[in-house]
Amino acid sequence: DTGVSQDPRHKITKRGQNVTFRCDPISEHNRLYWYRQTLGQGPEFLTYFQNEAQLEKSRLLSDRFSAERPKGSFSTLEIQRTEQGDSAMYLCATSSGETNEKLFFGSGTQLSVL
Amino acid sequence: AQKITQTQPGMFVQEKEAVTLDCTYDTSDQSYGLFWYKQPSSGEMIFLIYQGSYDEQNATEGRYSLNFQKARKSANLVISASQLGDSAMYFCAMREFSGGSNYKLTFGKGTLLTVNP
Repeated sequence: DTGVSQDPRHKITKRGQNVTFRCDPISEHNRLYWYRQTLGQGPEFLTYFQNEAQLEKSRLLSDRFSAERPKGSFSTLEIQRTEQGDSAMYLCATSSGETNEKLFFGSGTQLSVL
Repeated sequence: AQKITQTQPGMFVQEKEAVTLDCTYDTSDQSYGLFWYKQPSSGEMIFLIYQGSYDEQNATEGRYSLNFQKARKSANLVISASQLGDSAMYFCAMREFSGGSNYKLTFGKGTLLTVNP
């Protein structure tokens, strides 16, 4: 399988706990994005990496959120001290950097905070 | 103001018929791109079709075509010969190429398409 892979598919946690999600991109893609999707809404941009550099973070990303992409390969998204409002689908997408580039999305991690 | 507006929360179509999903956008950029994605119940976003703001012809990809009306700022998706497997959420999205954040996609709220047998 050469698509974007996300792990885990589902995560249930208690409020206040820390969670970490992983995204493995398509190998030749140097751009990696995290999006968040809540019920009934389209995905919203969270952050963007070009290789290992994090070039932008959305204002949606509070200080409790941190993302990394060591060595420009896989990426992790950590949420500290989770809140019920963090419950959402977290989508990872990658692209090759062309002008009319299409993003290739993973299947997402569905987070439920109880 | 919403950058991408999809006014149809849900649409129904009979199998083998054509259906149009509406999308209007708002931008002051001259250079931008418009995308349609399909999201089945499995959750993965699947790219369908792309239209650049300077493209003179409407984009087509198999059964999908994009009805691009630049002056009206609309980019409607037309699915011909609907199939049961087309039942899914459909999202319109825009990428503005001017400015520093020219890599972000802004999505609409989506339209849930149901294809009836």
